[in-house]
Amino acid sequence: QSVLTQPPSASGTPGQRVTISCSGSSSNIGSHTVNWYQQLPGTAPKLLIYSNNQWASGVPDRFSGSKSGTSASLAISGLQSEDEGDYYCAAWDGRLSGPVFGGGTKLTVL
Amino acid sequence: EVRLVQSGAEVKEPGESLKISCKASGYPFSSYWIAWVRQMPGKGLEWMGMIYPGNSDTRHSPAFQGQVTMLVDKSITTAYLQLSSLKASDTAMYYCARVGPGTGYQFDNWGQGTLVTVSS
Repeated sequence: QSVLTQPPSASGTPGQRVTISCSGSSSNIGSHTVNWYQQLPGTAPKLLIYSNNQWASGVPDRFSGSKSGTSASLAISGLQSEDEGDYYCAAWDGRLSGPVFGGGTKLTVL
Repeated sequence: EVRLVQSGAEVKEPGESLKISCKASGYPFSSYWIAWVRQMPGKGLEWMGMIYPGNSDTRHSPAFQGQVTMLVDKSITTAYLQLSSLKASDTAMYYCARVGPGTGYQFDNWGQGTLVTVSS
């Protein structure tokens, strides 16, 4: 059971906008910034968004992040087939004294 | 360019030990934490711990405390993850990652991963 809660799956058609949610608590998202990672099939994870809404180097602005209270979300606009993969949210957890991940969301481009 | 290059896949028997390496380049090695992340087959990412090469200070996830040892050799800018008394449940992909600047603990660069298989 992951500390941060994500939907197990999400889907959309090319060109659509999809959002992936990430729910936490006051000890993690509520008091620390959120990072998002993309893991394409058979590859290592890659940082997409850090500090809630900052693009990592080389990340297109089709990806955007936001945070409100103890929840965060990742939005992907202009969905492309190459976006298909797993997406993870993460945040520092003050109670566990370390970063925690969401369980991951598998994005399918239909 | 920041690069983290990990050692190759390993096949071990239960009870054996293992040391995975993570060779860093392209940045001041001593100044950034190196984190270790486990991904079991078909599962999500789990933070195991991290080490600060500057002084070898370590932080462990409670789930992995006492189960793993993290080391660095600054002379060759390499971090190591040591696993002992391996069990079948240690079968996983293990990643090293650099912890980026600031207070967000984002993992801004990742190694390619080391697949560890534990089987008799």
